[in-house]
Amino acid sequence: AQSVTQLGSHVSVSEGALVLLRCNYSSSVPPYLFWYVQYPNQGLQLLLKYTTGATLVKGINGFEAEFKKSETSFHLTKPSAHMSDAAEYFCAVSDTGKLIFGQGTELSVKP
Amino acid sequence: DTGVSQDPRHKITKRGQNVTFRCDPISEHNRLYWYRQTLGQGPEFLTYFQNEAQLEKSRLLSDRFSAERPKGSFSTLEIQRTEQGDSAMYLCASSPTSGRAYEQFFGPGTRLTVL
Repeated sequence: AQSVTQLGSHVSVSEGALVLLRCNYSSSVPPYLFWYVQYPNQGLQLLLKYTTGATLVKGINGFEAEFKKSETSFHLTKPSAHMSDAAEYFCAVSDTGKLIFGQGTELSVKP
Repeated sequence: DTGVSQDPRHKITKRGQNVTFRCDPISEHNRLYWYRQTLGQGPEFLTYFQNEAQLEKSRLLSDRFSAERPKGSFSTLEIQRTEQGDSAMYLCASSPTSGRAYEQFFGPGTRLTVL
């Protein structure tokens, strides 16, 4: 069975600081991995995804993630946080089409 | 270009009542998914359709839950005899079956409150 673990249910950074949100996965097959963002009372929006090929994936709003097979990780980073980045972030792995999500990490950005 | 839409956005009901939610996917998408999200948790898969065929159901989908996609377009999710534990956000997503088949586009969700 596939699963996702997000380390840290809440992360707080200062505006302009590095954002690092951690995600580890378990998969018996080559994984398709995703990061989604959710703003309050809204649905999920895709930030980026890894399927095959380049292991460093760039997404929207300046976010990127690196697939590391040896570490079974897919951490999300952004060099400089902006106030508008405050939201809930979900890592997910695709399992025969359906998505298996982690518990989520709430990102707070302090001025 | 319209995205995935869901109706209603909010539903308050009393325990024991039946409720029905509707999802309209992106028009050219063949796959449609339902997820449930409780407060502070990630979405949990409920069921999905390929056109009108329901291909997989989660064990979370008890016999009080039923989903349909009669013409392969919109879908409905019905909950019978609602319980307080059914209170959650119900999310619908759609995806194409080729190309970026594994990317899902989500609707805004229907928030259900069972009193």
